[in-house]
Amino acid sequence: SQQGEEDPQALSIQEGENATMNCSYKTSINNLQWYRQNSGRGLVHLILIRSNEREKHSGRLRVTLDTSKKSSSLLITASRAADTASYFCATGPEWASGSRLTFGEGTQLTVNP
Amino acid sequence: NAGVMQNPRHLVRRRGQEARLRCSPMKGHSHVYWYRQLPEEGLKFMVYLQKENIIDESGMPKERFSAEFPKEGPSILRIQQVVRGDSAAYFCASSPGHNEQFFGPGTRLTVL
Repeated sequence: SQQGEEDPQALSIQEGENATMNCSYKTSINNLQWYRQNSGRGLVHLILIRSNEREKHSGRLRVTLDTSKKSSSLLITASRAADTASYFCATGPEWASGSRLTFGEGTQLTVNP
Repeated sequence: NAGVMQNPRHLVRRRGQEARLRCSPMKGHSHVYWYRQLPEEGLKFMVYLQKENIIDESGMPKERFSAEFPKEGPSILRIQQVVRGDSAAYFCASSPGHNEQFFGPGTRLTVL
């Protein structure tokens, strides 16, 4: 099974609503990152949260990390149609910084105008 | 500061041919990672390189795949004798050595 698993697989909301996506992982981590991918495009880094942090904000994004439950959530507030994309969580292993990321399967977010 | 650059953006090969994918990391980044993404799936790690060294190739198939990051020039992911199952998007990411990785736009490989 995947190290990072996003939930839900797909989410459809109306513009202005908040979107919450969850990610669970299995092994100990050094950090957890969230990325966005528009259809057929590359990945855009959104936010990184380290294992000793519990919450982080960046603009309309809020990320939480619960290492005891091995889970993270990404909240997008006041969503816009332009937020429509796939969102992936990725974990960096505890045993080495600057090392490979393990990605989940992603949540497809659709924001309807 | 230009981002991670990959070329070509699209590559079409016939079965049995070779595919060469190039990645130029961001300026000042000495760590390069290659990932593969199949349709409707997340990215899967393939290989992690620093200048002239392969650090971790545990995600790369032992047969037909190779990667390098020479002292000068881009990192190259090479796939020999391509098969249809190699069709995917291949992403390169670079890092200055910290945890954050910056991704390129990807190369979409289609094997006919």
